[in-house]
Amino acid sequence: DGGITQSPKYLFRKEGQNVTLSCEQNLNHDAMYWYRQDPGQGLRLIYYSQIVNDFQKGDIAEGYSVSREKKESFPLTVTSAQKNPTAFYLCASSPGVTAGELFFGEGSRLTVL
Amino acid sequence: AQKVTQAQTEISVVEKEDVTLDCVYETRDTTYYLFWYKQPPSGELVFLIRRNSFDEQNEISGRYSWNFQKSTSSFNFTITASQVVDSAVYFCAPQGGSQGNLIFGKGTKLSVKP
Repeated sequence: DGGITQSPKYLFRKEGQNVTLSCEQNLNHDAMYWYRQDPGQGLRLIYYSQIVNDFQKGDIAEGYSVSREKKESFPLTVTSAQKNPTAFYLCASSPGVTAGELFFGEGSRLTVL
Repeated sequence: AQKVTQAQTEISVVEKEDVTLDCVYETRDTTYYLFWYKQPPSGELVFLIRRNSFDEQNEISGRYSWNFQKSTSSFNFTITASQVVDSAVYFCAPQGGSQGNLIFGKGTKLSVKP
């Protein structure tokens, strides 16, 4: 089935550790996105990528890093510089950035202990 | 859109009632798209509808309908004859960020009771 796969679904980490969240899509979409969702809040854009080997910061990029070495993959690293990393992270893709419907993964819930 | 307001934080209805979810947004763009997404308890957001700003004709798709009024920057979403499976958080998301990215509201949590 075509779609977006995020892993792991649940992740615990200790303060000071970096952690990488995986996002893979087989929809042949050009654009991919990472969003953060906090309780009672909307989604906030962390990073997005319109094409392989290129990505742009979203509204809350500090403390995060990404790479886009393959069209299918857009991993997100939550670094120790992120002051409040506990959140629900959603990956999405779309055929293009402009006016494209977003297709979402099931999300990864990160808890910092 | 620079700001999206979904004033209703939570709504509770009884099955078969109609329910309207409100959305008001701010934008400096003259043409843009608007979206509604649904987030069930599983967490994955599901696309519901997309509307472009230059077509104000309101439509109905099954039990869903929407009322877009560009003059008041509102994009309301109605579910007719609600069902328990409609229980979810609903997000309004107009375009407005850099590169045409979507700006998400804080969502309205809808609970449909049997």
